[in-house]
Amino acid sequence: AQSVAQPEDQVNVAEGNPLTVKCTYSVSGNPYLFWYVQYPNRGLQFLLKYITGDNLVKGSYGFEAEFNKSQTSFHLKKPSALVSDSALYFCAVRDGPGAGSYQLTFGKGTKLSVIP
Amino acid sequence: DAGVIQSPRHEVTEMGQEVTLRCKPISGHDYLFWYRQTMMRGLELLIYFNNNVPIDDSGMPEDRFSAKMPNASFSTLKIQPSEPRDSAVYFCASRRGGTDTQYFGPGTRLTVL
Repeated sequence: AQSVAQPEDQVNVAEGNPLTVKCTYSVSGNPYLFWYVQYPNRGLQFLLKYITGDNLVKGSYGFEAEFNKSQTSFHLKKPSALVSDSALYFCAVRDGPGAGSYQLTFGKGTKLSVIP
Repeated sequence: DAGVIQSPRHEVTEMGQEVTLRCKPISGHDYLFWYRQTMMRGLELLIYFNNNVPIDDSGMPEDRFSAKMPNASFSTLKIQPSEPRDSAVYFCASRRGGTDTQYFGPGTRLTVL
């Protein structure tokens, strides 16, 4: 079975500082990995995904994520945080082709607060 | 593109009443997903459809919950009878076959008193 862990319920960072939101995963085959962001009273918005290829994936709003197979991690990063980045961030995973499941499994979410 | 549309955005009802949530997926998307989000359990997949056919409903919590997709542009999630523990935000998402990204609607915040 596939699973995702986001070890931090909340991350606080000062505006202008780099941010990292952590995610580790477990799948039986090759993973497809995703990050979504949820602003208050809104639905989830797609940020970026890793399917194959370069381990560093760039996405929307200046975010990027690094796939690390040996550590089974897919941490979300941004070089310089903005107050407007404050939101709830979800990591999600599914098994790659041939695994028979197209369902995404989501982590519990990490609340990011960027302090002015 | 209008995105995934859900209605109503907010619903307040009393225990025992029937509740119907509605979703219009993005045109051309042939997968539709219903999720429930609570503080305690996070985001849970309830059911998903492919080409209007329910594929996996193992996440539906109990028989009080039912979902239908009568055509490619409309789906409903019904709770009958509703209970206070059903209070949550319900999201609908859709995806085009052959792609991997799901697109979420704004959600329906359900409160059962």
